[in-house]
Amino acid sequence: DIALTQSPGTLSLSPGERGTLSCRASQSVSNNYVAWYQQKPGQPPRLLIFAASSRATDIPDRFSGSGSGTDFTLTINKLEPEDFGMYYCQQYGSSIRTFGPGTKVEMK
Amino acid sequence: QVQLRQSGAAMKKPGASLKLPCEASGYKFDAYSINWVRQAPGQGLEWMGIWTHRGPGSSYRKKLEAMMNPRSGGGSAIYAQKFQGRVTMTREMSTVYMELTGLTSEDTAIYYCAREEGDGMDVWGQGTTVTVSS
Repeated sequence: DIALTQSPGTLSLSPGERGTLSCRASQSVSNNYVAWYQQKPGQPPRLLIFAASSRATDIPDRFSGSGSGTDFTLTINKLEPEDFGMYYCQQYGSSIRTFGPGTKVEMK
Repeated sequence: QVQLRQSGAAMKKPGASLKLPCEASGYKFDAYSINWVRQAPGQGLEWMGIWTHRGPGSSYRKKLEAMMNPRSGGGSAIYAQKFQGRVTMTREMSTVYMELTGLTSEDTAIYYCAREEGDGMDVWGQGTTVTVSS
């Protein structure tokens, strides 16, 4: 199974700042099938990015994804108050899907 | 309106089984797979398995079919190693069921279903909270 690690574990930022979240896979992810999700307390996850760099429907363009192979990045430009929460990467290049442990984006 | 509807909270005793429904509506059911993902209190997301339709389709689906679990019944399912032998995913009409046996307190979690068709899990159910306690 492909293991995913995320860094940092916690990211402390102020509104308006840029956040860079990293996701590293234990082996190359086929077709760069990596997705990013945002989750807020009491809610299910929300898809932000799929196939490493494609924004999901209705996702603001301040969210962007990049990367290939084993290293992937989610960038949040000009953080808005509603962007604070947990972020998970997930790979679906393998028939066995896996999630990363998550990065918490908190207000500084 | 595209929706995945899940059942209300459940309490189970250790050793019991649970069978959770995920009812899909508002889209062509056959066009998507259904994942099951759980989240223990204060923890991250844990993928449990995926249910998908048989039949002709993209190489993506054929790859899944090649790894079919014979216990999946009327469709094709692939399970995380951790749950092999304890989980079964089946389908009836536009509802996918996830059955988990031999419950322990470590199975206390919110169980989500989520739709997927090669572009990430784009629609999620609201989740079912399951508490396992004697």
